[in-house]
Amino acid sequence: EVQLVQSGAEVKKPGESLKISCKGSGYSFTSYWIGWVRQMPGKGLEWMGIIYPGDSDTRYSPSFQGQVTISADKSISTAYLQWSSLKASDTAMYYCARLNPPGSAFDIWGQGTMVTVSS
Amino acid sequence: EIVLTQSPGTLSLSPGERATLSCRASQSVSSSYLAWYQQKPGQAPRLLIYGASSRATGIPDRFSGSGSGTDFTLTISRLEPEDFAVYYCQQYGSSPKVTFGPGTKVDIK
Repeated sequence: EVQLVQSGAEVKKPGESLKISCKGSGYSFTSYWIGWVRQMPGKGLEWMGIIYPGDSDTRYSPSFQGQVTISADKSISTAYLQWSSLKASDTAMYYCARLNPPGSAFDIWGQGTMVTVSS
Repeated sequence: EIVLTQSPGTLSLSPGERATLSCRASQSVSSSYLAWYQQKPGQAPRLLIYGASSRATGIPDRFSGSGSGTDFTLTISRLEPEDFAVYYCQQYGSSPKVTFGPGTKVDIK
């Protein structure tokens, strides 16, 4: 079964760092782009960036460039999203998703990781 | 930068009715790279349509997509109870690489 499994919910304080993960299985992890999508409470979907695990080529949304870092470890089929200094406004659900070449749509989604930043 | 606009914001319909959702782009989008997603409360989004008109695996044929250029449509021919959800369109290719529309909520009248 093709799936993406994300790490569990996090509760952090402003200024703390965080790295969440997304592990792929059931397919060739290095052959598909993986994207990260933010969904703030009660709001819509926002694309953050994509990474190609085969060579770690990464593209960021202008809205998130410099705010987060996307990386991948192809040896363990895992992509990451990290923050160096969290803000309360980073409170959101974060999804990873596989970008499938026919139509370049996100065909497989992780279950989401809820990040809560509160003092 | 391509901006996607969806209308209406909310669509109130009854089961069995036809739903027509619109997605308009600020610049021309390749039809190959326009997708639609469904999201229910507490769930991750699910891909419905890719390439503007191709149904994803396992998607019932009551869902159909059409359009080209800057105007795209998602049609649900007869609403089932499980279809009441939020629907997003998404484009790929033009800077920024990926854009989502703001969503249309289909709720029960």
